[in-house]
Amino acid sequence: EIVLTQSPATLSLSPGERATLSCRASQSVSSYLAWYQQKPGQAPRLLIYDASNRATGIPARFSGSGSGTDFTLTISSLEPEDFAVYYCQQRSNWPLITFGQGTRLEIK
Amino acid sequence: QVQLQESGPGLVKPSETLSLTCAVSGYSISSGYYWGWIRQPPGKGLEWIGSIYHSGSTYYNPSLKSRVTISVDTSKNQFSLKLSSVTAADTAVYYCARLSRQQLVWGQGTLVTVSS
Repeated sequence: EIVLTQSPATLSLSPGERATLSCRASQSVSSYLAWYQQKPGQAPRLLIYDASNRATGIPARFSGSGSGTDFTLTISSLEPEDFAVYYCQQRSNWPLITFGQGTRLEIK
Repeated sequence: QVQLQESGPGLVKPSETLSLTCAVSGYSISSGYYWGWIRQPPGKGLEWIGSIYHSGSTYYNPSLKSRVTISVDTSKNQFSLKLSSVTAADTAVYYCARLSRQQLVWGQGTLVTVSS
């Protein structure tokens, strides 16, 4: 089973700052990695698929990069609505999937 | 636009079987895609439980495989989850989803509490 490890567990930043979230896989997942945003009481929302492709309707301040085992989600300038929990998810052995444990992005 | 809606008991007793159904609208299950279940214990992360292809092939999380059954009813355009021998550790919000390589389309989720 491929394990995804996200860091940091919690990130405290202010609106307008740049956020960098990391996801590391226990073995290569090629570019088969997605990022989701989840707000309290809501289902997760897809932000990025296949490591670097923004989903429909996702603002350009969200970007993804990486391949193999190391991936990054960057939010270039934080908006108040961006404070949430972020999960990475891999599909390299599709249709089996796994999620990371999440990074909580909180207002400083 | 596809929509998914979970239904089932919100309270299950320990050692019993948790049963949930996901009703799909706006898309015919028999037309394709994988359909699956994901859960989230209160305050914790997401865990994939398993998926079923429209043809009926199933794939389960190895950590839950011995207790999980996912089935599909194309005549009702719905699919179901059964999780046996539940304990308090199975208390979670259970989401159904349509799975493709590019994205998951989620239901709103339903909270299931395991308690006597």
